[in-house]
Amino acid sequence: DTGVSQDPRHKITKRGQNVTFRCDPISEHNRLYWYRQTLGQGPEFLTYFQNEAQLEKSRLLSDRFSAERPKGSFSTLEIQRTEQGDSAMYLCASSLVWGAAGANVLTFGAGSRLTVL
Amino acid sequence: AQTVTQSQPEMSVQEAETVTLSCTYDTSESDYYLFWYKQPPSRQMILVIRQEAYKQQNATENRFSVNFQKAAKSFSLKISDSQLGDAAMYFCAYRSAGDDKIIFGKGTRLHILP
Repeated sequence: DTGVSQDPRHKITKRGQNVTFRCDPISEHNRLYWYRQTLGQGPEFLTYFQNEAQLEKSRLLSDRFSAERPKGSFSTLEIQRTEQGDSAMYLCASSLVWGAAGANVLTFGAGSRLTVL
Repeated sequence: AQTVTQSQPEMSVQEAETVTLSCTYDTSESDYYLFWYKQPPSRQMILVIRQEAYKQQNATENRFSVNFQKAAKSFSLKISDSQLGDAAMYFCAYRSAGDDKIIFGKGTRLHILP
């Protein structure tokens, strides 16, 4: 197992364009999280999935953002009509949770850095 | 809402010395988990150590240990015998037992001086 993979690692786009990021979690993990990290800040929660079900979305996730995990494996995060304020590192993390969440330790990917010009 | 505060944006320590990173948090919950994550430059975030709030004993992982003061809502990380590979951003994080998302502080950048 190679851990959590994210693609692309870096995306440069022009304002108004759509971008999509992909995350491949650790294969046996049933939970998948998306976080956003801007310069000088800690990661901020965006959304998470248990298997294919999206269980929670942050208010940070505007209507231009959509995330999917169609078969409970990989996930995509799409940003439509990008704005300069969307420039950030988008982090994916996964975990294995049965019953009560316990510590629910997350394993992070290396992130996808978005630069909106 | 729960918050996590790391009051030291940057710190430096001489190689082989000991350094302590501070973290305070605000919550009305009694059952929760606390974490320290390390983010090396251009590399992924990894878990350093975790603490369950119901445990009184401070967690230890090799050179890393915590000082968990539940009443004071304080959770500091001590790194002993600092090594060059310890240079990274360190994030303190909190998760309520009744919630599924982790809340992170703004981080402390740790420099190791050779």
